[in-house]
Amino acid sequence: QKEVEQDPGPLSVPEGAIVSLNCTYSNSAFQYFMWYRQYSRKGPELLMYTYSSGNKEDGRFTAQVDKSSKYISLFIRDSQPSDSATYLCAMSASGSARQLTFGSGTQLTVLP
Amino acid sequence: DSGVTQTPKHLITATGQRVTLRCSPRSGDLSVYWYQQSLDQGLQFLIQYYNGEERAKGNILERFSAQQFPDLHSELNLSSLELGDSALYFCASSVGPGDTEAFFGQGTRLTVV
Repeated sequence: QKEVEQDPGPLSVPEGAIVSLNCTYSNSAFQYFMWYRQYSRKGPELLMYTYSSGNKEDGRFTAQVDKSSKYISLFIRDSQPSDSATYLCAMSASGSARQLTFGSGTQLTVLP
Repeated sequence: DSGVTQTPKHLITATGQRVTLRCSPRSGDLSVYWYQQSLDQGLQFLIQYYNGEERAKGNILERFSAQQFPDLHSELNLSSLELGDSALYFCASSVGPGDTEAFFGQGTRLTVV
């Protein structure tokens, strides 16, 4: 079993919908939780990161971490076609980019 | 554009061959990371260099090696290539050795035939 599980999708939603992307993990040592966005043929781009449990909001994006359930989520409000990409969750015990464990990614398409 | 430059963008080579992938980090970044992204394994950390010295190793095969030069660019050498080495190889950079945020390049797509 992988340390980080992520539903690969694909996920298609209409423009304006609320999108929920999720990951579960098994390693209790993980303290830092990140979401990356990867457009086709591009490198991953860090969207948000959260330390320990709680919520963090940035514009249309909200990241949630529930360490008791070992479950993290990314919500996208008012989704746009430009949000169409693969979203990768990533986690680490130390916070350092060198020790990130990535999920397999969820492919999202927002239809106009 | 992240500011991290990788060359070449695409590489096709035969089994048993050796290739070198190159990465120029963002201006001011001292730390370079190499990642491999394949369909079955996802994105996996290979190795990190900080200011010319190896800092951390991940799931890097013995056939693979890397180095960071005094001008801070880095090269990833892959030898005795196998079909299973076909993947996207990303370089990322950050200012410090323990930074949370690393900026990724656009990757080199390696196809071994």
